[in-house]
Amino acid sequence: EPEVTQTPSHQVTQMGQEVILRCVPISNHLYFYWYRQILGQKVEFLVSFYNNEISEKSEIFDDQFSVERPDGSNFTLKIRSTKLEDSAMYFCASSEDRQPTDTQYFGPGTRLTVL
Amino acid sequence: AQSVTQPDIHITVSEGASLELRCNYSYGATPYLFWYVQSPGQGLQLLLKYFSGDTLVQGIKGFEAEFKRSQSSFNLRKPSVHWSDAAEYFCAVSDQYNQGGKLIFGQGTELSVKP
Repeated sequence: EPEVTQTPSHQVTQMGQEVILRCVPISNHLYFYWYRQILGQKVEFLVSFYNNEISEKSEIFDDQFSVERPDGSNFTLKIRSTKLEDSAMYFCASSEDRQPTDTQYFGPGTRLTVL
Repeated sequence: AQSVTQPDIHITVSEGASLELRCNYSYGATPYLFWYVQSPGQGLQLLLKYFSGDTLVQGIKGFEAEFKRSQSSFNLRKPSVHWSDAAEYFCAVSDQYNQGGKLIFGQGTELSVKP
């Protein structure tokens, strides 16, 4: 069964460093998402991406964050200058299309630890 | 503001016992409702979803959920729990006007199963 994959599974970085989290969505999917979950808190929407542009972003997704689909398979989340409060589990998801009824398929997550 | 509440952070049930996980939502529009499960090291997997029609929906792994508009609830049930059901369960909501695909999640309920 096709699945969303994410690398790395765990990333440790120093405050102020740039990190890139990588995701490979399901191959025929057109809509991509990033969510995050700070330990003990809710899963929060960050951004959705369709047709090579951001479709919607949350207040969390400020100028320190960017997303890119650098090739036909990868979808990346870059945090330009990490802060302690960016420590969280980051989930990538994809769906076939942009309808709210389309199922979002999630990857296993990348745990980001900022020291 | 739109929100989802899962009142129970952690539930323990005996194997073979019935299960009900609670989910309440606060949403202005007609909600689209989802239940996801996350096993350790895995991504969030969709159990079931409700958009319209019959308010009792069947999902995978023997789960069902009932939409009750009057109570703003979408509780997840299973008649007989198996040890493999131990995981974290997330309720989420979207709506028909949400072209960005954003899901709003509850806090999650961790389920433990006693032998």
